[in-house]
Amino acid sequence: AQSVTQLGSHVSVSEGALVLLRCNYSSSVPPYLFWYVQYPNQGLQLLLKYTSAATLVKGINGFEAEFKKSETSFHLTKPSAHMSDAAEYFCAVTEGGYQKVTFGTGTKLQVIP
Amino acid sequence: DVKVTQSSRYLVKRTGEKVFLECVQDMDHENMFWYRQDPGLGLRLIYFSYDVKMKEKGDIPEGYSVSREKKERFSLILESASTNQTSMYLCASSLTIGGQPQHFGDGTRLSIL
Repeated sequence: AQSVTQLGSHVSVSEGALVLLRCNYSSSVPPYLFWYVQYPNQGLQLLLKYTSAATLVKGINGFEAEFKKSETSFHLTKPSAHMSDAAEYFCAVTEGGYQKVTFGTGTKLQVIP
Repeated sequence: DVKVTQSSRYLVKRTGEKVFLECVQDMDHENMFWYRQDPGLGLRLIYFSYDVKMKEKGDIPEGYSVSREKKERFSLILESASTNQTSMYLCASSLTIGGQPQHFGDGTRLSIL
């Protein structure tokens, strides 16, 4: 069975500082992994996805994530936070060929000026 | 771009009413999903459909039903609304090919009084 754990429901960073949002997953088969972002009163938008092509995945808005099989992790990073990055971020996993996706409980990112 | 449209952004209904939430996608996706989103709980899958007239229960189907008569449209029905169904409801669609992301609507914020 697949599952996702996001450590930290709230993360605060200063503008210009490194953003690190943590995600650990559990899957019985090689997984597909996703990061989504949700701005207030909107649906989720895809930031990036891992589909086994490369372990370091680059997404939109300067975000990237690294798949580490040994650590079952898929942490999201951005070198320099911008005020517009303030949002809620969700990590998600799905097992190969099966479209049911399991989402983490989300991490709200606050960017302090 | 894929467009997933939910019929209402905000909805207020009374306890015991039958409530219909409508979702339409324009990219010929096979799969469609209904989630509810509550603070601290992330997204929880209510029902999904992988083809016309086909449906599968998600993690929290109690008190809900769905209908998919056409490929582009997926309806969520609250048979007899209760206050504990006050929530944000998100619709999503995706292709069946492994590893494809889900595309979300902007959500319906439903209040049951």
